[in-house]
Amino acid sequence: EPEVTQTPSHQVTQMGQEVILRCVPISNHLYFYWYRQILGQKVEFLVSFYNNEISEKSEIFDDQFSVERPDGSNFTLKIRSTKLEDSAMYFCASSEGLLSGNTIYFGEGSWLTVV
Amino acid sequence: AQKVTQAQTEISVVEKEDVTLDCVYETRDTTYYLFWYKQPPSGELVFLIRRNSFDEQNEISGRYSWNFQKSTSSFNFTITASQVVDSAVYFCALSARDNNDMRFGAGTRLTVKP
Repeated sequence: EPEVTQTPSHQVTQMGQEVILRCVPISNHLYFYWYRQILGQKVEFLVSFYNNEISEKSEIFDDQFSVERPDGSNFTLKIRSTKLEDSAMYFCASSEGLLSGNTIYFGEGSWLTVV
Repeated sequence: AQKVTQAQTEISVVEKEDVTLDCVYETRDTTYYLFWYKQPPSGELVFLIRRNSFDEQNEISGRYSWNFQKSTSSFNFTITASQVVDSAVYFCALSARDNNDMRFGAGTRLTVKP
């Protein structure tokens, strides 16, 4: 069964460093997403991406965040200068379409620890 | 505004007991979709079910069943004869106009003891 894959599964970084989280969405999906889950809290929407541009972003997705599709398969989330409060599980996800009937499938998550 | 409430923060049961996880939602949209996801200790989010607002038929899949009631804005999830492997955090989610609008509940941590 096709799945969303993410790397790395866990990364520890020093405050102020740049981090890139990588994702390979399901191959026939057109919409890609990043969500964040701070430990013990709910899953929060960060950004959606379609046709090589941001479709929508939340208030959490400020200037230190960026997304990119550098090639035909990878979808990346870059955090420019990490802060302690960026420590969280980051989920990549994809769906065939944007309308609500299209199920979002999530990857296994990348656990980011900022020290 | 959309909102999903999972009032049960944690539930603990003994294996083979039945357990129901509650989900109450709010939305002004007449067309919307409800979801349940499972997050096992390994951390991934596993899709369990999607239900649209026009289909109030209850669904059963093995030991899992879902009860959707528009009258009470609820979409509850029941696990029959629970097993230790059911231990996870379960999230209810709502999506109305499009997937950018998807909102998750706070999750219910289910612990099934042997």
